[in-house]
Amino acid sequence: NAGVTQTPKFRVLKTGQSMTLLCAQDMNHEYMYWYRQDPGMGLRLIHYSVGEGTTAKGEVPDGYNVSRLKKQNFLLGLESAAPSQTSVYFCASSYSISVINTGELFFGEGSRLTVL
Amino acid sequence: DQQVKQNSPSLSVQEGRISILNCDYTNSMFDYFLWYKKYPAEGPTFLISISSIKDKNEDGRFTVFLNKSAKHLSLHIVPSQPGDSAVYFCAAAGPGVSYDKVIFGPGTSLSVIP
Repeated sequence: NAGVTQTPKFRVLKTGQSMTLLCAQDMNHEYMYWYRQDPGMGLRLIHYSVGEGTTAKGEVPDGYNVSRLKKQNFLLGLESAAPSQTSVYFCASSYSISVINTGELFFGEGSRLTVL
Repeated sequence: DQQVKQNSPSLSVQEGRISILNCDYTNSMFDYFLWYKKYPAEGPTFLISISSIKDKNEDGRFTVFLNKSAKHLSLHIVPSQPGDSAVYFCAAAGPGVSYDKVIFGPGTSLSVIP
């Protein structure tokens, strides 16, 4: 009963390095999301996907790329990490894009990324 | 400028008393409001929601009140329990009710003291 799993949980990068965060969900959800959370700010949507093979930009997409090659996986990539990307990243999935009815978001435990 | 504000970063309440968490918003186009709860080292989990056409929604010990004219909502927890100690995020969706239109507030950390 894993739900949404994120790997890695912690990572330290140097400026300019690249990395990929992996999100996997076992609930057969169509919709997946990547958020970042910074001190004093709410969760902000980076990118999202409405189904396998699709991606779309959220509120703060710059500096990130995503891919959804398989329905259960949603990857978030940083091509050239910057200190401003130091944050806690949350992946989420939902049965519906709608916030009502059965549209509850299910979140992973988060991945803490530090860019030096 | 933040569209969803939670002006109290933290709140402490005695066990058994009422906890009131407040949220203010600036966008009159928001159609739906949600509260999520987060424990340390875990992801947020859905708690309760309310449509903009209602002014109250209740689920057990949790009640959300919406005052559209004041652009204000509040979450009441009665009675408060130590297990309610967590960070509470207010969120608003709109225009429309899809997750790509959801804005989260910064959160309020609630401590329920036994």
